[in-house]
Amino acid sequence: ERVMTQSPATLSVSPGERATLSCRASQSVSSNLAWYQQKPGQAPRLLIYGASIRATNIPARFSGSGSGTEFTLTISSLQSEDFAVYYCQQYNIWPRTFGQGTKLEIK
Amino acid sequence: EVQLVESGGGVVRPGGSLRLSCAASGFTFDGYGMNWVRQAPGKGLEWVADITWNGGNTDYADSVKGRFTVSRDNAKNSLFLQMNSLRVEDTAFYYCARDGLSDGSGPYYFDSWGQGTLVTVSS
Repeated sequence: ERVMTQSPATLSVSPGERATLSCRASQSVSSNLAWYQQKPGQAPRLLIYGASIRATNIPARFSGSGSGTEFTLTISSLQSEDFAVYYCQQYNIWPRTFGQGTKLEIK
Repeated sequence: EVQLVESGGGVVRPGGSLRLSCAASGFTFDGYGMNWVRQAPGKGLEWVADITWNGGNTDYADSVKGRFTVSRDNAKNSLFLQMNSLRVEDTAFYYCARDGLSDGSGPYYFDSWGQGTLVTVSS
């Protein structure tokens, strides 16, 4: 099983600033990495797949990078609606596994 | 628009059973593999089970193997999760989620999610 580790657990950033979230895989997952956003009381929403491909209707301020074992989600200029929990997920092998999440909070 | 609507959650005693349903609309249901993903209150996401487009293959997380069964009825655009021998640690929101691609191989990311249904296992 691929273990996914996200850091930091909580990130405090001011609106308008850049946020950088990290995800590390215990072994290579190639580029088979997705990012999800989850707001309180809502289902997760797909943001990024293929490590860097934005899903449909996802704003350009969200970008993903990385391959192998190290991945990054960057939000270039934080809007109020971006404060949420973010999860990475590998789909390179079964079982598909998630990171434990990074909570992005308002500073 | 893709819509996934779960139902069937509730409160059940340890050792009991529950059957969850997911009604799909807005896409060609029998063209996609489907999944159940759960989230314990205040915790992270855990993939639980998946099923191929035709129901021919299923897979389960070790934590539920032998207790849960995933199935589908393509004629009714519906996905199911039969949960037996429930444990307190199965308490969670259960989400129905669609595979991100429809080419029959995988594994994939999850591109559409339902709103979830809460299962509480408690004595």
